Amino acid sequence: DGGITQSPKYLFRKEGQNVTLSCEQNLNHDAMYWYRQDPGQGLRLIYYSQIVNDFQKGDIAEGYSVSREKKESFPLTVTSAQKNPTAFYLCASSIGGQGLDEQYFGPGTRLTVT
Amino acid sequence: GNSVTQMEGPVTLSEEAFLTINCTYTATGYPSLFWYVQYPGEGLQLLLKATKADDKGSNKGFEATYRKETTSFHLEKGSVQVSDSAVYFCAGGGLTGGGNKLTFGTGTQLKVEL
Repeated sequence: DGGITQSPKYLFRKEGQNVTLSCEQNLNHDAMYWYRQDPGQGLRLIYYSQIVNDFQKGDIAEGYSVSREKKESFPLTVTSAQKNPTAFYLCASSIGGQGLDEQYFGPGTRLTVT
Repeated sequence: GNSVTQMEGPVTLSEEAFLTINCTYTATGYPSLFWYVQYPGEGLQLLLKATKADDKGSNKGFEATYRKETTSFHLEKGSVQVSDSAVYFCAGGGLTGGGNKLTFGTGTQLKVEL
């Protein structure tokens, strides 16, 4: 089955630690995205990548980093510089990097930092 | 800036009631419009889409028509079921003409009761 996987589903970390969230897709999509969702709010774009070895900052990139070494993978690192990292993180992909294409979402990772 | 605005929730309906969730957008380009649905603890699933003015997207009894004259994409369903309880997100892609991001509304929670 084609799709997007995110792991783990729940993640707990102590304040001051970096943590990496995994996102893998086997849809052969060029573009991948990371969003953050807070309770009662919409999705906010953290980073996106339209092609391997290239990525751009979204609206709230501070305190986060990404890499895109393979087409299938787009891991997100939440660094200790992120002031309020506890949130639900969603990864998505689309065929192309144009906003006209629908995006396909993974099941999400809920990160709790204490 | 360009944006997507949808009605605030929560919306509570009785089973078999008619549903409307309003969504309007501002754009300098010719966007594609989407409705996504999110069930508790899960990622977003594409519900329907429309790529040009007067297009009607439909799926699972839900419909939305792309109205350029009113810059709207309201979601409707003639008879809701308890299983439709979820959060619904309106989104626009290419709001800034060739832009490569989806812009999401803040989401509308729907609760359907027996």
